[in-house]
Amino acid sequence: KQEVTQIPAALSVPEGENLVLNCSFTDSAIYNLQWFRQDPGKGLTSLLLIQSSQREQTSGRLNASLDKSSGRSTLYIAASQPGDSATYLCAVINTDKLIFGTGTRLQVFP
Amino acid sequence: DTAVSQTPKYLVTQMGNDKSIKCEQNLGHDTMYWYKQDSKKFLKIMFSYNNKELIINETVPNRFSPKSPDKAHLNLHINSLELGDSAVYFCASSQGRDNEQFFGPGTRLTVL
Repeated sequence: KQEVTQIPAALSVPEGENLVLNCSFTDSAIYNLQWFRQDPGKGLTSLLLIQSSQREQTSGRLNASLDKSSGRSTLYIAASQPGDSATYLCAVINTDKLIFGTGTRLQVFP
Repeated sequence: DTAVSQTPKYLVTQMGNDKSIKCEQNLGHDTMYWYKQDSKKFLKIMFSYNNKELIINETVPNRFSPKSPDKAHLNLHINSLELGDSAVYFCASSQGRDNEQFFGPGTRLTVL
């Protein structure tokens, strides 16, 4: 059974720092991996999708990497801003569904 | 120009009632999903439809019945609501199975 874990559960950093969020999964037979952010009381916003054949994807200040063999993905956020404060969720896609991680709650303070 | 929309946004009801949540997507996608986010913020798949055909039913009580009248709509009907059904329900869609999913804003259901 696929299990997805995110470390750390919470993170508080000053504005301007570069940071890394970690995601690990137990079954490497995934199709894709998707990173989301969720603002309090809001829906999920898709940030990046990494296909299983890819090693990384970039969008603006975000860079996500994928190492299927070790069951790990990281989300790198460069030059963090207070507007980046949210919960970040990773989810693996296999057999037609997303299996979500436990999330990392990020706070970036001025 | 909302991509995935849900109605209502909030739903407060008494135990034992029957209620429905509606979802519509204007992305032209052929696959739609329902997810449940519990009080601990954990998200879990409930159902998935591809071209109006049910492809995932993830051990959800049969009080929950999804219906897809066409590829752009996926509704969720819940009978005999229980306290434990209180959660946020998210609809999502994708083009094809196993591809990037886009989520609606969620429906917060509170059962009293």
